[in-house]
Amino acid sequence: GAGVSQTPSNKVTEKGKYVELRCDPISGHTALYWYRQSLGQGPEFLIYFQGTGAADDSGLPNDRFFAVRPEGSVSTLKIQRTERGDSAMYLCASSLSGSGSQQDTQYFGPGTRLTVL
Amino acid sequence: RKEVEQDPGPFNVPEGATVAFNCTYSNSASQSFFWYRQDCRKEPKLLMSVYSSGNEDGRFTAQLNRASQYISLLIRDSKLSDSATYLCVVGYFGNEKLTFGTGTRLTIIP
Repeated sequence: GAGVSQTPSNKVTEKGKYVELRCDPISGHTALYWYRQSLGQGPEFLIYFQGTGAADDSGLPNDRFFAVRPEGSVSTLKIQRTERGDSAMYLCASSLSGSGSQQDTQYFGPGTRLTVL
Repeated sequence: RKEVEQDPGPFNVPEGATVAFNCTYSNSASQSFFWYRQDCRKEPKLLMSVYSSGNEDGRFTAQLNRASQYISLLIRDSKLSDSATYLCVVGYFGNEKLTFGTGTRLTIIP
């Protein structure tokens, strides 16, 4: 079946601009996660959705970052007034239940590589 | 101190050799443990979950030592296709986010 998809695969923007990154989770998965990965580092948690609501947004670095999941499926990560330090790979993952258990595997999408010039 | 620490490597290992990675975690409340594999410029993919009793999947063996708070991964009879970055990952009960180590880069040499 189809896995997690993310668009665009690459995004180049200028400092100060607004960007939106889209994630389409595996069908039927209620939990959706956003992570950010910088070069040479592991992914870092940003935000987690259970259905339509953001259950944990403790990883968002500041108020320029915002994410929505209005219908409990597709999610959009929004970054305002982008800065060069926002350049990274943005990864989306989904899991069946979001229970946090060992069996609730998180499946990752291919990511969006964001470059802020 | 990072929550999950790994030796970043690189580990350059001849084909057919056995290689082992260790990882330590700082939060004793950690409840779920995984090894993910990440190929260059690709997304992380679950390699295996790690259970207290230890578990094996073909050439791969994972161990968990809760008392010492470390996790290990052993790869036997390494193949060229095993070349990748191996991410140690920890989760906490009731907290769905995963915490990743920086990854250990492995290159298998023909």
